[in-house]
Amino acid sequence: GQQVMQIPQYQHVQEGEDFTTYCNSSTTLSNIQWYKQRPGGHPVFLIQLVKSGEVKKQKRLTFQFGEAKKNSSLHITATQTTDVGTYFCAGLGSNDYKLSFGAGTTVTVRA
Amino acid sequence: EAQVTQNPRYLITVTGKKLTVTCSQNMNHEYMSWYRQDPGLGLRQIYYSMNVEVTDKGDVPEGYKVSRKEKRNFPLILESPSPNQTSLYFCASSLFGGTNQPQHFGDGTRLSIL
Repeated sequence: GQQVMQIPQYQHVQEGEDFTTYCNSSTTLSNIQWYKQRPGGHPVFLIQLVKSGEVKKQKRLTFQFGEAKKNSSLHITATQTTDVGTYFCAGLGSNDYKLSFGAGTTVTVRA
Repeated sequence: EAQVTQNPRYLITVTGKKLTVTCSQNMNHEYMSWYRQDPGLGLRQIYYSMNVEVTDKGDVPEGYKVSRKEKRNFPLILESPSPNQTSLYFCASSLFGGTNQPQHFGDGTRLSIL
């Protein structure tokens, strides 16, 4: 099955700064989903990207799906303390029904 | 309220003592799955089920069993737990599998196997 790699594993950000987390798959994906897990909580669905080159925005969050549908990124602008948590990407394979999660990027924010 | 409910939330037990973690969803979802979360490894899928009586192995199925006799329930069974199964477990469901559906997660079950 496909493997989904996510970097960086940790991101320490000054409040107000921007950062990006990246997701790469070894195989072409049918779609990619992003989730956020607050400390002590469970993953919560943020967004899904389906089309090659797709870009979606949610307020300060910008999600991109690569042209080859093998990579994705999440960019957060003007980081706030509410952005603390772990962000996971999850790729759905083109040939199976398994959703493979990346290891996650854990974000901490310095006020 | 639409939700995925797992029980128990926490469990400390000993090696070899069979245990079951229950998972129930009230959203009439067809697809259900189990994940384990370990530091640095993210969420790894244990088993999934496309519908009633249809289950399949995920990436780390060894040492686990599941069943899907009813649409709403998807219990995870550890027949002979071992310390390497100490982890945080999540059950999730979605309307359909293999399509563009978000996963809805339960609150998690923290298992410690001594």
